Amino acid sequence: EDQVTQSPEALRLQEGESSSLNCSYTVSGLRGLFWYRQDPGKGPEFLFTLYSAGEEKEKERLKATLTKKESFLHITAPKPEDSATYLCAVGHTGKLIFGQGTTLQVKP
Amino acid sequence: DTAVSQTPKYLVTQMGNDKSIKCEQNLGHDTMYWYKQDSKKFLKIMFSYNNKELIINETVPNRFSPKSPDKAHLNLHINSLELGDSAVYFCASSQGIGQGDEQYFGPGTRLTVT
Repeated sequence: EDQVTQSPEALRLQEGESSSLNCSYTVSGLRGLFWYRQDPGKGPEFLFTLYSAGEEKEKERLKATLTKKESFLHITAPKPEDSATYLCAVGHTGKLIFGQGTTLQVKP
Repeated sequence: DTAVSQTPKYLVTQMGNDKSIKCEQNLGHDTMYWYKQDSKKFLKIMFSYNNKELIINETVPNRFSPKSPDKAHLNLHINSLELGDSAVYFCASSQGIGQGDEQYFGPGTRLTVT
């Protein structure tokens, strides 16, 4: 069965404390790996798309990487405004399959 | 300018009622979607439409009926609402047919069935 699993479910960091979020998937014929950010009460906001193993993309303090079985979202020197739920999704059979998300809290 | 908009933002209703949620996108995209996000924040696709044609129907009860009058609009009508329908419903759009294209989401409609 196609599956996307994110870990950890929740992550608390101090401001400036770098860390990584993991997204592992078991779909065949991956058509893209997507990262989204979701703030409370809002819709998911698109961050990155990765298409092939070895690909990396960066945006401010975020860097996404992709292997054949998983993706990482690295957060360097996070700030309180990076607090949100980060969702990973894989493209497969005409749709996106989402993981359950990692809720990140960054304390000042 | 809002790219993907939904109305209403909140919807509180009683079991057995019928309600509709409207969605509009001004991105010029060809494909639109409805997703349901449950209390654990798990986001699951319900339907997708490409140029007004139904592409995906993810075994959603037939009490849910999407309608796409044109490619910029996708509405969701729900008949005989049940307690289990309480969730946040998101509309989204993409240029292509879903799997390789990033999707852009609306702000969500929080449906509460009492």
